[in-house]
Amino acid sequence: DTGVSQDPRHKITKRGQNVTFRCDPISEHNRLYWYRQTLGQGPEFLTYFQNEAQLEKSRLLSDRFSAERPKGSFSTLEIQRTEQGDSAMYLCASSLREGPVNEQFFGPGTRLTVL
Amino acid sequence: GEDVEQSLFLSVREGDSSVINCTYTDSSSTYLYWYKQEPGAGLQLLTYIFSNMDMKQDQRLTVLLNKKDKHLSLRIADTQTGDSAIYFCAESEGRGSTLGRLYFGRGTQLTVWP
Repeated sequence: DTGVSQDPRHKITKRGQNVTFRCDPISEHNRLYWYRQTLGQGPEFLTYFQNEAQLEKSRLLSDRFSAERPKGSFSTLEIQRTEQGDSAMYLCASSLREGPVNEQFFGPGTRLTVL
Repeated sequence: GEDVEQSLFLSVREGDSSVINCTYTDSSSTYLYWYKQEPGAGLQLLTYIFSNMDMKQDQRLTVLLNKKDKHLSLRIADTQTGDSAIYFCAESEGRGSTLGRLYFGRGTQLTVWP
């Protein structure tokens, strides 16, 4: 158990609906990352936060995606007007900025299926 | 730091050594990592190597880095059935507090036969 939790673990939705996922990082970790993983692929970076500041966003993060970390603790990832291509595992990870090797601890992921 | 390649499958017998290979393209990568993913579980960091090292050993795991050829390998000695999983190679740019996103390969599915 790495200590990063994600909710829900599974989400099935219809195309066009909005979905929101939550990530709770390890409590003392000030960095939080979102990745997306599709079948047969490695995780692809989406965005990351240092405390409440969103420091970097991938080109993969279209304007239908938005992520927040309002108090520098938990984070939410919202997808608006979902498309079938959004079906994937959404992974959250956290780390300590001061950590020398950027060890990222991953949560179990939220599996999204868009029908 | 966006192109990390791995072979997709590897099968070995229990007790043999496994060698998983990875190539990367970004010469500015400072840390290279090996993660393990088991079904239904999150990614787990197995080991890492700093780019100025050639080799790192950690119990049954040996990491070799050839920086000139941008080639990384993970050797698992005395492979057990519990080692069956997907292994991801990943790289990170920057140094210290500037380290950020990880770039992952597609993963190597290791199957260990009893």
